[in-house]
Amino acid sequence: NAGVMQNPRHLVRRRGQEARLRCSPMKGHSHVYWYRQLPEEGLKFMVYLQKENIIDESGMPKERFSAEFPKEGPSILRIQQVVRGDSAAYFCASSPFVPSGNSYEQYFGPGTRLTVT
Amino acid sequence: DAKTTQPPSMDCAEGRAANLPCNHSTISGNEYVYWYRQIHSQGPQYIIHGLKNNETNEMASLIITEDRKSSTLILPHATLRDTAVYYCIVRARMDSSYKLIFGSGTRLLVRP
Repeated sequence: NAGVMQNPRHLVRRRGQEARLRCSPMKGHSHVYWYRQLPEEGLKFMVYLQKENIIDESGMPKERFSAEFPKEGPSILRIQQVVRGDSAAYFCASSPFVPSGNSYEQYFGPGTRLTVT
Repeated sequence: DAKTTQPPSMDCAEGRAANLPCNHSTISGNEYVYWYRQIHSQGPQYIIHGLKNNETNEMASLIITEDRKSSTLILPHATLRDTAVYYCIVRARMDSSYKLIFGSGTRLLVRP
């Protein structure tokens, strides 16, 4: 069973360009989460999605960032008009559907390292 | 903000037990304690979680105090590959967003 896959693993963009980060959850997982890790810092939650639905985007910057998880295909984190401060590692995690009130774990991908020049 | 407090760094000798403490004095009755680790900028790896009973799996043991205000992650025989940042996280059982809130973690160095 393949784990969470992210691509590309490394992405270099110039200021003002767009960055698209992809995440394929583990087989059978219907929940996807995106986290960002700035250099020398801990991970910060960005957004939580289920198929075709954004459930919690409380950690997403208000501008330039968007996320989707279509019915078919990977989840996409899109950053428009990137700036140097967007340089970070972006991690995706997935989990299966779990009835409310039960515990579960999130499985993380290897991350995409975005460098803005 | 993270609801846990951990020492910033610890070290132990290879082959010895590593005991990583975590304080979560404001934990509520419906919150679990989760432990993850991150090895050198890789994606975080789930280790173990518990509610109020002690838990053990193939990777580690989790000891939660009776009042649930603190816990200890135990790696029984640490190896060099266990060098990582260890995160203790509390998460509500009924939290509809299911997000994990990471603090600064403990940087564990296993010495040869």
